[in-house]
Amino acid sequence: GAVVSQHPSRVICKSGTSVKIECRSLDFQATTMFWYRQFPKQSLMLMATSNEGSKATYEQGVEKDKFLINHASLTLSTLTVTSAHPEDSSFYICSPRGGPDTQYFGPGTRLTVL
Amino acid sequence: AQSVAQPEDQVNVAEGNPLTVKCTYSVSGNPYLFWYVQYPNRGLQFLLKYITGDNLVKGSYGFEAEFNKSQTSFHLKKPSALVSDSALYFCAVEGGSQGNLIFGKGTKLSVKP
Repeated sequence: GAVVSQHPSRVICKSGTSVKIECRSLDFQATTMFWYRQFPKQSLMLMATSNEGSKATYEQGVEKDKFLINHASLTLSTLTVTSAHPEDSSFYICSPRGGPDTQYFGPGTRLTVL
Repeated sequence: AQSVAQPEDQVNVAEGNPLTVKCTYSVSGNPYLFWYVQYPNRGLQFLLKYITGDNLVKGSYGFEAEFNKSQTSFHLKKPSALVSDSALYFCAVEGGSQGNLIFGKGTKLSVKP
């Protein structure tokens, strides 16, 4: 399968700071990137979808000004959590789309906001 | 709306016994169905998928799943469970408005020696 990396794997930050999460598809080009988050003991919920070179589409209830997504290239997408608060603590997972029925997943980033 | 249901929060199985993790779906049109496994603090690992063709799909680590259109089910199975199979299992269907996957709530599988 494809190789997808996320950095950092784990981050702890103070409330009010911003955190950037990078997602790289190492051996294929992804025109579409999904960002999911997973709260403890819950399933993955789609936050936003980004296509390379265009603005991201956010799911209902996800603030676009708080969760900034940049999909500058076919191998790199970033999610920035701005002015993070404790309720933003979650597991964030990127998912580059490899084809019509093929989606890969990054290893995830555990964000803890104190 | 597309949806996936995993009716069991947890499944307990003795090592060596067969296991089944249940999944039912609700989609319009032909479903693309997936199973993923997640170990603690890790991302999702792909197990198998059904797109078309044979109803019995074989995947990674000895897992298989059977697509049943009449029952709208896609149960995950393994003939002989291993302790190392203990993890969280997610059933998913491709059908979100963005072409994304819609996940079930997950089933925790516990295999005891």
